[in-house]
Amino acid sequence: AQTVTQSQPEMSVQEAETVTLSCTYDTSESDYYLFWYKQPPSRQMILVIRQEAYKQQNATENRFSVNFQKAAKSFSLKISDSQLGDAAMYFCAYRSAAGNTGKLIFGQGTTLQVKP
Amino acid sequence: DSGVTQTPKHLITATGQRVTLRCSPRSGDLSVYWYQQSLDQGLQFLIQYYNGEERAKGNILERFSAQQFPDLHSELNLSSLELGDSALYFCASSVDDSPLHFGNGTRLTVT
Repeated sequence: AQTVTQSQPEMSVQEAETVTLSCTYDTSESDYYLFWYKQPPSRQMILVIRQEAYKQQNATENRFSVNFQKAAKSFSLKISDSQLGDAAMYFCAYRSAAGNTGKLIFGQGTTLQVKP
Repeated sequence: DSGVTQTPKHLITATGQRVTLRCSPRSGDLSVYWYQQSLDQGLQFLIQYYNGEERAKGNILERFSAQQFPDLHSELNLSSLELGDSALYFCASSVDDSPLHFGNGTRLTVT
């Protein structure tokens, strides 16, 4: 069974600085998807970024980028120029590309605090 | 706005009772997923339906059941409620390989 681990329960960053959130996963599959979701205090789950395992190029969405290391099974999220609105809980998630289900397996989450 | 609608937003009920949570997926999405978020268990996948049929099952208790109707909305039924069932219940929807889009969740409090 696949597992996702986020080893940092809490992180903090100064506004305008850069922060990196860590995520590792365990799988025997070769084809899968990885995601970062953001959950602000409003509790809504918001998709931040998506990475396909077959793509070597790291995904980027504006100030958000990932460092995908397939061999190491690592998938970290870098937030550049942090803003107060980035304060939230961030979840790393795995989805298998095999089978016919798109269910996500989530890590435990990392709470990010942004200091003004 | 994700386009996924969940009702009610909050629900307070007593132990032993039964409740129904409702989810309307995004227009065009055939898959509906239910997740439970609690402090000790994190985000747990419960069940997925695709176009009315059960497609995948996770850690869903026997006291819980779900269904997806012909209009694609879904309901999650929780019965014989226990204090430990208090959690945030999310519905999400997707089409094909698209990412999941989540509703705002239903906060269930069992007293």
